[in-house]
Amino acid sequence: DAGITQSPRHKVTETGTPVTLRCHQTENHRYMYWYRQDPGHGLRLIHYSYGVKDTDKGEVSDGYSVSRSKTEDFLLTLESATSSQTSVYFCAINQGAGNQETQYFGPGTRLLVL
Amino acid sequence: DAKTTQPNSMESNEEEPVHLPCNHSTISGTDYIHWYRQLPSQGPEYVIHGLTSNVNNRMASLAIAEDRKSSTLILHRATLRDAAVYYCILVSGSARQLTFGSGTQLTVLP
Repeated sequence: DAGITQSPRHKVTETGTPVTLRCHQTENHRYMYWYRQDPGHGLRLIHYSYGVKDTDKGEVSDGYSVSRSKTEDFLLTLESATSSQTSVYFCAINQGAGNQETQYFGPGTRLLVL
Repeated sequence: DAKTTQPNSMESNEEEPVHLPCNHSTISGTDYIHWYRQLPSQGPEYVIHGLTSNVNNRMASLAIAEDRKSSTLILHRATLRDAAVYYCILVSGSARQLTFGSGTQLTVLP
């Protein structure tokens, strides 16, 4: 168990409001990821981080920003939420080394933007 | 990125073996074949991965074709708890970025 928690687990918000989702890990993993999953689809990468203050964009980064000021926390911010950002958001970390690296996922955050 | 093709859905009876296929005809020599599964209302979880040889672990077996253009995830005795979406993903180098397709929805019948 890689010790990942996500908060909040559920959130309802209104269009135009800012929203921040938090991913917290307890084992000093270097890589952290944010994905979104829409009904009937696989996960899509939003942003990832390869260290404190080191982040990069994924496939669907528009409308999202991230920050990582300490190893254990990776924050995802929707500056002005839109209904198209209603989704389930998963955080993940890399565990293992080299070709044995795999990803471990958090429990997810369900976000509804009205 | 090399892509994978999986059936949208499969059914199996409880306590019988399940063979989940994946085609990856454009796989490169350095791509590892990873399998993840996602149980209802949970995040994905790692199942198994391999490069060329068949692999076994406590969860499943992975059979890789000799030309590596296809692979099969084998659950030796399906249980109701194995009902999930199974994703076959090609990973180059370390698992830094995973590209998920739609996966195979496995239904296990009692």
